[in-house]
Amino acid sequence: EPEVTQTPSHQVTQMGQEVILRCVPISNHLYFYWYRQILGQKVEFLVSFYNNEISEKSEIFDDQFSVERPDGSNFTLKIRSTKLEDSAMYFCASRKDLANYGYTFGSGTRLTVV
Amino acid sequence: EDKVVQSPLSLVVHEGDTVTLNCSYEVTNFRSLLWYKQEKKAPTFLFMLTSSGIEKKSGRLSSILDKKELFSILNITATQTGDSAIYLCAVASGTYKYIFGTGTRLKVLA
Repeated sequence: EPEVTQTPSHQVTQMGQEVILRCVPISNHLYFYWYRQILGQKVEFLVSFYNNEISEKSEIFDDQFSVERPDGSNFTLKIRSTKLEDSAMYFCASRKDLANYGYTFGSGTRLTVV
Repeated sequence: EDKVVQSPLSLVVHEGDTVTLNCSYEVTNFRSLLWYKQEKKAPTFLFMLTSSGIEKKSGRLSSILDKKELFSILNITATQTGDSAIYLCAVASGTYKYIFGTGTRLKVLA
């Protein structure tokens, strides 16, 4: 069964450093998303991406965050200057079309900012 | 503000018991309601509900949506230890994003 692949599975970074979280969505999917889940809290929407541009973003997704689909297969989330409160599990998800609202989630990247 | 509320927050049952998990929502531009199971990491898809009153069923799991009263239930019959997980309810709003509830943590004891 096709999977959404995320790397790395765990990343530790120092406060103020830049991080890039990587995702490879399912190949024929067109809509891509990033969500995060702070430990013990609910899954929160960050951003949606379609046709090489951001479709919608949440208040969490401020100027420190950016997304990119650099080569037609990878989908990346960059945090420019990490803060302690960015520590969370980050999930990438993809979806084939708008008729099917069931995402396929990746297994997540646990980001720890120290 | 859009919100999705799940209850109970946690539940401990014994194998063989039947459980009912609840999800209520207030979301503008409702598209569908989804249930996911989260064990260790990624949520895995269980059901998508779009129409009121139509039960979706998969093995021992079933779910139904009431769009008038703005809630859904997820039933699990004859629970097994492998059902232990966090069950997430999410509402698809507009065309792009999900709004998640906090989840119900289910523990099934042998």
